[in-house]
Amino acid sequence: DTGVSQDPRHKITKRGQNVTFRCDPISEHNRLYWYRQTLGQGPEFLTYFQNEAQLEKSRLLSDRFSAERPKGSFSTLEIQRTEQGDSAMYLCASSVGADRRNTIYFGEGSWLTVV
Amino acid sequence: AQSVAQPEDQVNVAEGNPLTVKCTYSVSGNPYLFWYVQYPNRGLQFLLKYITGDNLVKGSYGFEAEFNKSQTSFHLKKPSALVSDSALYFCAVRDTYNTDKLIFGTGTRLQVFP
Repeated sequence: DTGVSQDPRHKITKRGQNVTFRCDPISEHNRLYWYRQTLGQGPEFLTYFQNEAQLEKSRLLSDRFSAERPKGSFSTLEIQRTEQGDSAMYLCASSVGADRRNTIYFGEGSWLTVV
Repeated sequence: AQSVAQPEDQVNVAEGNPLTVKCTYSVSGNPYLFWYVQYPNRGLQFLLKYITGDNLVKGSYGFEAEFNKSQTSFHLKKPSALVSDSALYFCAVRDTYNTDKLIFGTGTRLQVFP
């Protein structure tokens, strides 16, 4: 396995700009998750996909956030009209199937700084 | 609702001594419990998990964890700490009834001194 891959690793953007993060899950992992982590906190769930279907979205995911997984492989997380409060690390993760006993594997994260 | 508590923000231990990082949980159904480690500016690495069976589970890098159903705890342990174990440790839970997502604690920073 090559692991979960995230791009870019770091992004600095001005307030009000749009940003997009990409995630490539481990091959053949059909579950894909997005989490957000701020300094001093544990990861907070944002959303997850089973193949291309988005099955759950957190209340943290405001209207400015949108996630897609169009072909059931890679996923994108877009943040529109960024705010300083969006500064965080965005973590992508993947797992095999719907069995809750399966391990969820995380990527290295994408750091977002909004200035 | 599911929740995880890590009561210690930081744990300090001398190299060579045993270490324990505490975790308690609350779920509706049967818990599936996980430990992850995070090094500075990195993502989360999976260490070990409890699903069922033996209450003592062994994982990567010599870590183990003990599941205690009556105390709803899942403490992470290592018999002999290394300086390289210094990192941020997260406990997480899923259960058999509620949403599929992993719920994380706030993390415990482990500092191992030479």
